[in-house]
Amino acid sequence: DAGITQSPRYKITETGRQVTLMCHQTWSHSYMFWYRQDLGHGLRLIYYSAAADITDKGEVPDGYVVSRSKTENFPLTLESATRSQTSVYFCASSPTSYNEQFFGPGTRLTVL
Amino acid sequence: SQQGEEDPQALSIQEGENATMNCSYKTSINNLQWYRQNSGRGLVHLILIRSNEREKHSGRLRVTLDTSKKSSSLLITASRAADTASYFCATDGNTGNQFYFGTGTSLTVIP
Repeated sequence: DAGITQSPRYKITETGRQVTLMCHQTWSHSYMFWYRQDLGHGLRLIYYSAAADITDKGEVPDGYVVSRSKTENFPLTLESATRSQTSVYFCASSPTSYNEQFFGPGTRLTVL
Repeated sequence: SQQGEEDPQALSIQEGENATMNCSYKTSINNLQWYRQNSGRGLVHLILIRSNEREKHSGRLRVTLDTSKKSSSLLITASRAADTASYFCATDGNTGNQFYFGTGTSLTVIP
């Protein structure tokens, strides 16, 4: 199916555990982004990638790791989850850095 | 923070009325975008306006940009119940590779 998908859609984990959120897009867009959405903060950029093997930090990168070995995939890893990382995570892609972004459906992560 | 701030935070109107939302931002920009988010869903792009543009239209949407005041407005005309959603502005802070989102305006259109 064409588009951008995220998995899992819902995840509950415990403090200290490693969690990986997956993002896959079928458009071959160069740019991919990870955001977190929290009440009162809107969306905040965690990391972005301009191309395979090129990633850079956003506003709130601490506690997160990303990789991009293939253009279509951009996984986000929480190496040791904390309660403050409970949030809804959105992945997005774009053909360029300044065009519209296409968002996935989101992953709701709860850290107990 | 470079994020935009939407005003009002919440807006409730009757179907058929116009809805106006405002966005203020802090730094110079190349582009400003508006997005819509229905409850529990991802964001959907509505319109992009560049810093050298003052107004843009798309269907029932009208966006204005005043770079001297660092502000933008989104007007939805003849609103429908299906327009009920949260609306976000996003600015690139003149960086060109990151967009900063505001906290959004929650619009409720009452049938």
